[in-house]
Amino acid sequence: GAVVSQHPSRVICKSGTSVKIECRSLDFQATTMFWYRQFPKQSLMLMATSNEGSKATYEQGVEKDKFLINHASLTLSTLTVTSAHPEDSSFYICSATEYSNQPQHFGDGTRLSIL
Amino acid sequence: AQTVTQSQPEMSVQEAETVTLSCTYDTSESDYYLFWYKQPPSRQMILVIRQEAYKQQNATENRFSVNFQKAAKSFSLKISDSQLGDAAMYFCAYNMNRDDKIIFGKGTRLHILP
Repeated sequence: GAVVSQHPSRVICKSGTSVKIECRSLDFQATTMFWYRQFPKQSLMLMATSNEGSKATYEQGVEKDKFLINHASLTLSTLTVTSAHPEDSSFYICSATEYSNQPQHFGDGTRLSIL
Repeated sequence: AQTVTQSQPEMSVQEAETVTLSCTYDTSESDYYLFWYKQPPSRQMILVIRQEAYKQQNATENRFSVNFQKAAKSFSLKISDSQLGDAAMYFCAYNMNRDDKIIFGKGTRLHILP
């Protein structure tokens, strides 16, 4: 089945650091990738949608300059949390889809902790 | 705007029994998809079942089945012969046919009692 690999699974870093999270589709080409944020005991909140070769589309209220998304190839999208602060601590999950209207395949998530 | 509502924050069921998780949604679209995702403590998102709105037949995957009532905009999940491994957070989700974005409900935490 379709596999999405997300790396790293856990990050702990100091305030002010920029953190990059990678999302890779291992056995399919992902035309679209999605980035979600999940606070403890809450649902997934869509942050942005990225299509290969074009700028990401951010959801309302998500800071573009804070959460930089790059989708440079059909198998890789990255989320960079710039100048991270404690309030950015959260669980970030990516997903990918090969074709429109196909089920999204999720990565295992990244737990980000900013000290 | 589309919304997904799960009115049961938590539920418990005895092992081997049957449990039904409720979900309602609101949309003006006629063509869409509905999903149930499972998120165990590992936090991995696992697709349990998928229903296409134009199909009247309820989707079934082994012990998991749905009751899809399009007119009532209801999409409940029935888990038969509950197992300890079914303990997880379950999210109901909606996806418009012409848009790949998924809208998730707030989730129902399911406890399995041995």
